[in-house]
Amino acid sequence: DTGVSQNPRHKITKRGQNVTFRCDPISEHNRLYWYRQTLGQGPEFLTYFQNEAQLEKSRLLSDRFSAERPKGSFSTLEIQRTEQGDSAMYLCASSLGNLIWDTEAFFGQGTRLTVV
Amino acid sequence: QQQVKQSPQSLIVQKGGISIINCAYENTAFDYFPWYQQFPGKGPALLIAIRPDVSEKKEGRFTISFNKSAKQFSLHIMDSQPGDSATYFCAATDTGTASKLTFGTGTRLQVTL
Repeated sequence: DTGVSQNPRHKITKRGQNVTFRCDPISEHNRLYWYRQTLGQGPEFLTYFQNEAQLEKSRLLSDRFSAERPKGSFSTLEIQRTEQGDSAMYLCASSLGNLIWDTEAFFGQGTRLTVV
Repeated sequence: QQQVKQSPQSLIVQKGGISIINCAYENTAFDYFPWYQQFPGKGPALLIAIRPDVSEKKEGRFTISFNKSAKQFSLHIMDSQPGDSATYFCAATDTGTASKLTFGTGTRLQVTL
């Protein structure tokens, strides 16, 4: 499978615990995005990387959230001290682009987080 | 925050009918307007997209109509099929900002037999 891969697919955690999600983008894609989708809503942008550089963070991304893309390949999204409001589907997407153009963004199947 | 407004929230169409979903945007810097289809438990998948230099784009049974002056665009699904039953999201981006997509709130389409 050469698409965007996310792990785990589902995560149930107790409030206050830390969780980490992984995203493996399409191999030649230099851009990687994280979105959050709550039930009945469209995905909301959280952050994006171009290669290993994190270039933009949404104000939705509180200081409990941190994302990394250490070698410009896979990315991790960590949520510390989880809260019930963090329960959502976390989507990763990747694309190939530069300052002038960009390909379409391909999405992974998401990680569904439930905080109990 | 830039918004993309989508309607209706849900839609029921008979098999063979036309499904129409509408979106409106505010940010005139947006220059790429994709539609995504999402099935339960899956990530969104690109269906069709348009840039503002054309007023219509057709791919198979799917057509986007774009009205730049009104800042509106719509998705038409011709000959709707039960397999089209899914949630549809319109989105928009300014490709100068690396395709950071702003999504609508989604339309849940049900195609009945």
